[in-house]
Amino acid sequence: QVQLVQSGAEVKKPGSSVKVSCKTSGGTFSTFGINWVRQAPGQGLEWMGRIIPIFDIEDYAQNFQGRVTISADKSTSTAYMELSSLRSDDTAVYYCAICLAVTPHHYYMDVWGRGTTVTVSS
Amino acid sequence: SYELTQPPSVSVSPGQTASITCSGDKLGNKYACWYQQKPGQSPVLIVYQDNRRPSGIPERFSGSNSGNTATLTISGTQAMDEADYYCQAWDSNNVVFGGGTKLTVL
Repeated sequence: QVQLVQSGAEVKKPGSSVKVSCKTSGGTFSTFGINWVRQAPGQGLEWMGRIIPIFDIEDYAQNFQGRVTISADKSTSTAYMELSSLRSDDTAVYYCAICLAVTPHHYYMDVWGRGTTVTVSS
Repeated sequence: SYELTQPPSVSVSPGQTASITCSGDKLGNKYACWYQQKPGQSPVLIVYQDNRRPSGIPERFSGSNSGNTATLTISGTQAMDEADYYCQAWDSNNVVFGGGTKLTVL
């Protein structure tokens, strides 16, 4: 059974960057589709992007192009999401979520981490 | 960019059937899935590939998808089903979420 452990809560200043980690256990890390989804307080889910390590594929949502970088360390089965130029409206819970079986025509997230709270405040 | 539209809220009496819709252009030509999220918890996948349930998801949860609308149906709704529900599709290498529907069981 795949489990995800995310890094702890962060408090950041506007204009700075944050890097959140997601360590996986179980399954074959490199074949996963590893996604980052955020949820602002009282709001819905917003997909930020994904990485598929085995294919070196990265896809990013248009809203985050140029500001987010998703990476993966196959040696430690850990994925990272770095968001730069932080603003107050980036305050949210950031989830790591895994697609266990990536296919061309259907993509969904089977397993979710517990989330990492990022607060952006001066 | 592709958009999915859900009603903000749906109410249902215990034991009755709840239906939550998700609308998108030619959504029936894509696969839809659904997540349940309870307050303070992470989302949980409850339906994928339009109408399949992951292991451990009760049979009262079912899905359908045709035309421009996907529907999540909860039969014999229980108080524990009160939650936010999100539909999701895959379009042009992007995950697209609906805005979410708050299900109230009263």
